[in-house]
Amino acid sequence: ELKVEQNPLFLSMQEGKNYTIYCNYSTTSDRLYWYRQDPGKSLESLFVLLSNGAVKQEGRLMASLDTKARLSTLHITAAVHDLSATYFCAAIIQGAQKLVFGQGTRLTINP
Amino acid sequence: NAGVTQTPKFRVLKTGQSMTLLCAQDMNHEYMYWYRQDPGMGLRLIHYSVGEGTTAKGEVPDGYNVSRLKKQNFLLGLESAAPSQTSVYFCASSYSSDIPYEQYFGPGTRLTVT
Repeated sequence: ELKVEQNPLFLSMQEGKNYTIYCNYSTTSDRLYWYRQDPGKSLESLFVLLSNGAVKQEGRLMASLDTKARLSTLHITAAVHDLSATYFCAAIIQGAQKLVFGQGTRLTINP
Repeated sequence: NAGVTQTPKFRVLKTGQSMTLLCAQDMNHEYMYWYRQDPGMGLRLIHYSVGEGTTAKGEVPDGYNVSRLKKQNFLLGLESAAPSQTSVYFCASSYSSDIPYEQYFGPGTRLTVT
């Protein structure tokens, strides 16, 4: 059974600082997704990582995937208040078109 | 393109009442999904469909039924609502063979069962 765990679950940081959110998954999965959710809103796709060693960057966010370690990271560089949101990772069950989500990381960036 | 839409946006039910949530997508997607979101638990898959006329159980199917009579619509039914079904419900859709198989989410339905 595929399980996905994120840490930390809550993160409060100051503007301008760097930090990383970790996403571990328990069984083989060849795709990893990152989503952003603002309070009371739906999920917005950020990144799709398709292979071992994949790295994608958008602005101050960078995501990477290590399939051997079953680990993905979302790195935030020089955080700004607008990045405050809940971030979810999700892994795909191999052979099935189903995603399993992590618990989410609530990120608060203080001025 | 409206993308994925959900009806209604909010609903309050009493225990034992029934209701149907409607999800519609205009992207000609084959796959559609229903999730529930509860605090601290991420999204959990309730039921999904891989095409018109097909449905399958997800992680937490008990107490829910679904139907996919038309490709663009996916209905989620609660026959006898319980307080444990208080949650935010999200519908999503995706292509069947698309790489990277991205799911597109609707705006959500906030359901309270008293």
